[in-house]
Amino acid sequence: DQQVKQNSPSLSVQEGRISILNCDYTNSMFDYFLWYKKYPAEGPTFLISISSIKDKNEDGRFTVFLNKSAKHLSLHIVPSQPGDSAVYFCAASASGANNLFFGTGTRLTVIP
Amino acid sequence: DAGITQSPRHKVTETGTPVTLRCHQTENHRYMYWYRQDPGHGLRLIHYSYGVKDTDKGEVSDGYSVSRSKTEDFLLTLESATSSQTSVYFCAIRPGREATEAFFGQGTRLTVV
Repeated sequence: DQQVKQNSPSLSVQEGRISILNCDYTNSMFDYFLWYKKYPAEGPTFLISISSIKDKNEDGRFTVFLNKSAKHLSLHIVPSQPGDSAVYFCAASASGANNLFFGTGTRLTVIP
Repeated sequence: DAGITQSPRHKVTETGTPVTLRCHQTENHRYMYWYRQDPGHGLRLIHYSYGVKDTDKGEVSDGYSVSRSKTEDFLLTLESATSSQTSVYFCAIRPGREATEAFFGQGTRLTVV
């Protein structure tokens, strides 16, 4: 059973606007969350993370929001740029566990 | 970029043959992982290692085995390849398990015909 879910397989956004990518999780033991970006024929690259003790983490144009009560996190990209077009994966882990669990990914297309 | 090298990058093999994929790291990270990426499934963990000779199964381990005889190398073996194992395989490394990100290799595209 998928413990990390990304229900939107794709998203299209105009350049300069905000992109919002969503992720839901089911395991209440998860306490560390990550977003990865993946271009074709390359490995995923780490983008930003957030610990469960926070509800927001910002890095330049990228902000991740965590709503623990809803078991939901989102990645905001502002402003969106054509180079942001990629597949985005969210991932989660629990303290004391060796594993990282990934969602199925959302393909973001930023239209110039 | 994290020092992770996967080999080969591409491979075509026949059903029933054994295949070994190699992951080599230069970061001296403790944790190493093998994932496979398939459409509609995202990244799924096959096996992982938390030290030399210490390995454990992930969520899709059937048909795969791993070995780690040195810190820097993590091998994934398909004992008898099947068409369902056609996929893109990614190796990842992680310094620890507490609040740390994993770094991925470039991937190996395996086709079983």
